Amino acid sequence: AQSVTQPDIHITVSEGASLELRCNYSYGATPYLFWYVQSPGQGLQLLLKYFSGDTLVQGIKGFEAEFKRSQSSFNLRKPSVHWSDAAEYFCAVRYGGATNKLIFGTGTLLAVQP
Amino acid sequence: GAGVSQSPSNKVTEKGKDVELRCDPISGHTALYWYRQSLGQGLEFLIYFQGNSAPDKSGLPSDRFSAERTGGSVSTLTIQRTQQEDSAVYLCASSPELAGVSLSDTQYFGPGTRLTVL
Repeated sequence: AQSVTQPDIHITVSEGASLELRCNYSYGATPYLFWYVQSPGQGLQLLLKYFSGDTLVQGIKGFEAEFKRSQSSFNLRKPSVHWSDAAEYFCAVRYGGATNKLIFGTGTLLAVQP
Repeated sequence: GAGVSQSPSNKVTEKGKDVELRCDPISGHTALYWYRQSLGQGLEFLIYFQGNSAPDKSGLPSDRFSAERTGGSVSTLTIQRTQQEDSAVYLCASSPELAGVSLSDTQYFGPGTRLTVL
């Protein structure tokens, strides 16, 4: 079955430190990959997406992600974390077919220490 | 422009009662999705609409759950005879995508309806 794995349930980083959130997806012919962020009490906001071309994609709020087909990974990175980045981050994939539904990972909760 | 809106934002109900959750998508978006977010199950797909048709209902957990969409716009998710395990946040998303294409199109999410079944 198609699936997405986010191995880190909870991560704590210091403000100003770099961040990498891991995401692995199950094999699919042409995965379309997304990272969403959810702040407390809010809906999901798209950070970035990959569907073709350059494997390093830039998103909003200074985030970037790199698609590595050989590792089935789409890790999210930020060089310097801000306190406002504290939130839950979800990786998602879609493969198309009869539906364009998103398949989500279980999420990574990010805490930022001052 | 306005984003996806959902109502009510919170709903508390008693076990066995029926509830209706509403979603107003972004104007002009043809695709509409319902997802459920719960502690034990994470974010799960429920149903997908393309226009007023629902080509994928595979995520609806039981026949107590149903959804409709009218005028290619507003959607209502109905849960009959609610159970405590139905407690969750129900998220709606819309997208301009067409069926089977435009997979790179973004799904825009509403703020969700938090349902609590006592």
